[in-house]
Formats: sequence, structure tokens, C-alpha cells
Amino acid sequence: QVQLVESGGGVVQPGGSLKLSCAVSGFTLNDYGIHWVRQGPGKGLEWVAFIRHSGGSAPYPDSVSGRFTVSRDTSQNTLYLQMNSLRADDSAVYYCVKEGNYFMDVWGKGTTVTVSS
Amino acid sequence: QTVVTQEESFSVSPGGTVTLTCGLTSGSVSTNHYPSWYRQTPGQAPRTLIHSTSTRSSGVPDRFSGSILGNRAALTITGAQAIDESDYYCVLFLSSGIWVFGRGTKVTVL
Repeated sequence: QVQLVESGGGVVQPGGSLKLSCAVSGFTLNDYGIHWVRQGPGKGLEWVAFIRHSGGSAPYPDSVSGRFTVSRDTSQNTLYLQMNSLRADDSAVYYCVKEGNYFMDVWGKGTTVTVSS
Repeated sequence: QTVVTQEESFSVSPGGTVTLTCGLTSGSVSTNHYPSWYRQTPGQAPRTLIHSTSTRSSGVPDRFSGSILGNRAALTITGAQAIDESDYYCVLFLSSGIWVFGRGTKVTVL
């Protein structure tokens, strides 16, 4: 059974850093890439990162480029999203999602990040 | 900057048909954008409905169908049910190698 479980969310001050984790089961990271998608309070979905099954990452959208970095530990079947220089508009529920063929296939339940002083 | 466009809202009667569209502020949508569609109800994670323009994900009822209509991708709900009342999002894969979501369409069934 394919499952993705996010963790690491919480409250962080503006300018701070946070590292989210996504533990996967039912498939291997050597076979599938993982997307990160976020949703701000009362807002729509926003794609923020993708790491390929090869370990390389896609270009980041302008909203997070230079601040967010996606990585993985295949031995632990875990993905990470390192978020630096956080701003209030980074506050959101962050989902990790198993890739399909150029689409988002299976979604985790999300972890909440709040950037506030 | 390329923006993905969606209607803000739609209302449909139970049993009726509604077609949501997904466009680009610059250019036409084609199968090369691998259009996909997602449904989300409040407080829940999104669920994948359609990918690669017209392929239904596992377990998705056949009242949902995807297509290209003119210069846009489209999601049609035929025989709408009360449980279809949700927010619907499309995503396009751009040539720059990124994915971009539309702002979503709120569908009301009444």
C-alpha cells in the first residue's frame, strides 16, 4: 500500500528555517520522484518542488527559488524539504506527493507550517 | 510569467453536466502540457482525478472525463452528484520544466 507521511511542520519566526520530512512506504524512491505542493490558508494549491527518481531536482518556482531545497535519503525512504529565509506567505499546509507520469499521483495528508513572530 | 487560468466558480444542477476549463495566459494548452485535474474538499488532501489530459485515475467514476477543447484543457462532469461539490484544480507542465496550478474552480451542486 502506497503511503506518504509528512512531518516537521510547526511555528517559525520570519527569516527562520525549517526542514520538513516525508516518509514513504509501498514503493521506492529509486523508482519514483516526489513532488512538494503547498496550500496557504484559504488559498489554492501551489507546486513548490520535485525530486526525480534519479535524485536530481526540477527547477524551483520563483516564489521559493534560492530558499527551498529538496533532498532525499533512499536508505531511510525519506524525502526532505529544507526551507530557509521563511516569510509569512510561506505559511501553508505542505503536501508530499508521489509522482505519476508528469502528474501528481498519491498525496500525503500534509503538515502545517506557520511563519509568525 | 505564465499563468494558468480557471473559472472561479460554477453551479450545476443535480444530474446536470458542467465543463471546467484550464488555459494559459500565453499560448494554447496541448497534450504536451500533460494536463491533470484534482479535486479537494475542505480540510482534506487533494485527490487525483484525471492525468495525461484524459486518463482517469484508479477508482474515479466515469462521469468525470478530460479533454482538450479548443486551446484549453477541459474537465467534464456528466450527471453531477451532490458529492461532486468541491474545489477543482488543474495543473500544467511547462516547457521550462515546472508545474503550475490554476487557481481552482469552486463547483456548487444545487
